[in-house]
Amino acid sequence: QVRLQESGPGLVKPSQTLSLTCTVSGGSISSASYYWSWIRQPAGKGLEWIGRIYTSGSISYNPSLKSRVTISFDTSKNQFSLKLSSVTAADTAVYYCARGVAGTYFDYWGQGTLVTVSS
Amino acid sequence: DIQMTQSPSTLSASVGDRVTITCRASQSISTWLAWYQQKPGKAPKLLIYKASSLESGVPSRFSGSGSGTEFTLTISSLQPDDFATYYCQQYDSYSWTFGQGTKVEIK
Repeated sequence: QVRLQESGPGLVKPSQTLSLTCTVSGGSISSASYYWSWIRQPAGKGLEWIGRIYTSGSISYNPSLKSRVTISFDTSKNQFSLKLSSVTAADTAVYYCARGVAGTYFDYWGQGTLVTVSS
Repeated sequence: DIQMTQSPSTLSASVGDRVTITCRASQSISTWLAWYQQKPGKAPKLLIYKASSLESGVPSRFSGSGSGTEFTLTISSLQPDDFATYYCQQYDSYSWTFGQGTKVEIK
């Protein structure tokens, strides 16, 4: 059974960089069949796809966040990471990591982690 | 970006009701659409992919249809466990997008 678990600080100051890690268990992050994504959800609102990374190293970002987002792999730890720079209160949300099947829909999700941007 | 618009935003229904949620895309996405169910405090759960394919383990009362720009999620007989928020997601384009969600409430 594949499991994803987000980790990282729950509180980030404005203008700083938000950093989260997703640890994958029960399957290899290097599998050719899957993309690995970050998705966020502000309280009481809908879902916003942030970006994805493929085992080949191919990366795609949401155009609205592209200038501030970096997603990377650490295959030795079976992890992938998110960095979001210059955060503001508008970046306060529950952040999810998820597995995308062949670059399509998401079949496995982490439980989510709340990140609050506040001084 | 392809915009996804769901209707209604909120739906009040009773156990046993047939429920239909609509998702419209701003341009054709063929059948590259998924549906998710989300309960409070939980991650979304995949229900339907490729517009009409039922994910393994999902009850058969859930079904999806449509192609191009108009899609529907139908629950044939609403059960107590089905009260939740439902999202559609397109994966046709470079940038993936979700609908704004439809909350199914108890009438």
